Amino acid sequence: EIVLTQSPATLSLSPGERATLSCRASQSVSSYLAWYQQTPGQAPRLLIYDASNRATGIPARFSGSGSGTDFTLTISSLEPEDFAVYYCQQRSNWPPVITFGQGTRLEIK
Amino acid sequence: EVQLVESGGGLVQPGGSLRLSCAASGFTFSSYAMSWVRQAPGKGLEWVSVISGSGGNTYYADSVKGRFTISRDNSKNTLYLQMNSLRAEDTAVYYCAKWDSGYYCMDVWGKGTTVTVSS
Repeated sequence: EIVLTQSPATLSLSPGERATLSCRASQSVSSYLAWYQQTPGQAPRLLIYDASNRATGIPARFSGSGSGTDFTLTISSLEPEDFAVYYCQQRSNWPPVITFGQGTRLEIK
Repeated sequence: EVQLVESGGGLVQPGGSLRLSCAASGFTFSSYAMSWVRQAPGKGLEWVSVISGSGGNTYYADSVKGRFTISRDNSKNTLYLQMNSLRAEDTAVYYCAKWDSGYYCMDVWGKGTTVTVSS
């Protein structure tokens, strides 16, 4: 089973700064990697799919990159509403399971 | 507007059963796989199960295999999760999500329903 490891666990930054979040897979997932944002008390929201494609309505300050085993979510200039928990997710062919990383909490410094 | 609305959560004793529902609207329900994801209090996201658009293929996380059953009624645009032999560790918010089979991601989520397993 593929394991996704996110780092750092917590990232403390100020509004306007650049955020870089990492997701590493235990084996190659090609480009089938998605990123989600979850704010307190809310459902997750899809940000990025296929490693680098922004979902509908997602601001351009969010970008994704990577392939194989190493992926990055970048927020170019943090807005107050961006402080949340971010998860990466992949789906493996066999066994046919879906896995999430453990999450990165982005907090205000 | 694409919308998913979960219901059926509540308090249940260990060993008990519960059936969750997810009503879908705003898209052609039968054309899409659907998934359940849960989140225990203060914890991360855990995938539970996925079902194909026709209902013919289902997959489960090892943690629920043999206890939970995912199903759907395409005539009612509704997804279900039958949960049996519930344990304390099944306590969580349960989300239903629309699965994008092309890009292997969940592009629409419901607001969730809370299941508490406790005596």
